[in-house]
Amino acid sequence: GENVGLHLPTLSVQEGDNSIINCAYSNSASDYFIWYKQESGKGPQFIIDIRSNMDKRQGQRVTVLLNKTVKHLSLQIAATQPGDSAVYFCADSGTYKYIFGTGTRLKVLA
Amino acid sequence: DSGVTQTPKHLITATGQRVTLRCSPRSGDLSVYWYQQSLDQGLQFLIQYYNGEERAKGNILERFSAQQFPDLHSELNLSSLELGDSALYFCASSFRGSGELFFGEGSRLTVL
Repeated sequence: GENVGLHLPTLSVQEGDNSIINCAYSNSASDYFIWYKQESGKGPQFIIDIRSNMDKRQGQRVTVLLNKTVKHLSLQIAATQPGDSAVYFCADSGTYKYIFGTGTRLKVLA
Repeated sequence: DSGVTQTPKHLITATGQRVTLRCSPRSGDLSVYWYQQSLDQGLQFLIQYYNGEERAKGNILERFSAQQFPDLHSELNLSSLELGDSALYFCASSFRGSGELFFGEGSRLTVL
């Protein structure tokens, strides 16, 4: 069935370094993926999305890469800042349900 | 501000009780989604409505029910509450049931 999961529950990164958050999915029919950021006590906020006909999409300081062969996507954050500390979720919306993974907590070290 | 409004923000109740959580989607959005998030857990999909009709169902307990009204707001009803139902309940909306989801700030339910 559908499954979107993350490889690492917690990622600690030095301020200024780049962060890479990974996500695996199992539904080969998935055609749309979204990354969300959730700060403590708040609702998830949209970061970036990508459709299955693309391999890469860039936003402001963020890049999402999609590898359909191995059903993997990643979120890259350039020059990580303290404000990037949050939990990051990927979601698969191939079947209306928008299944979210467990999330990766990103900790930015000063 | 995502434009999605959830009420109440906080709710404390006792086991066995029933509560109703309300969600007003962004203006113009036809689809509403409900998610449950337990402490330090992911977002568990409960149910989705599109223009008043149920479209998709996740792991929603039989004690839980939801509906979307003609004005497109939605309510999630939780009954016979148990301690394990304590969680953040998020509502999200989208225009057509695809594309970006816009989340509310959540309703925090505490069952004592």
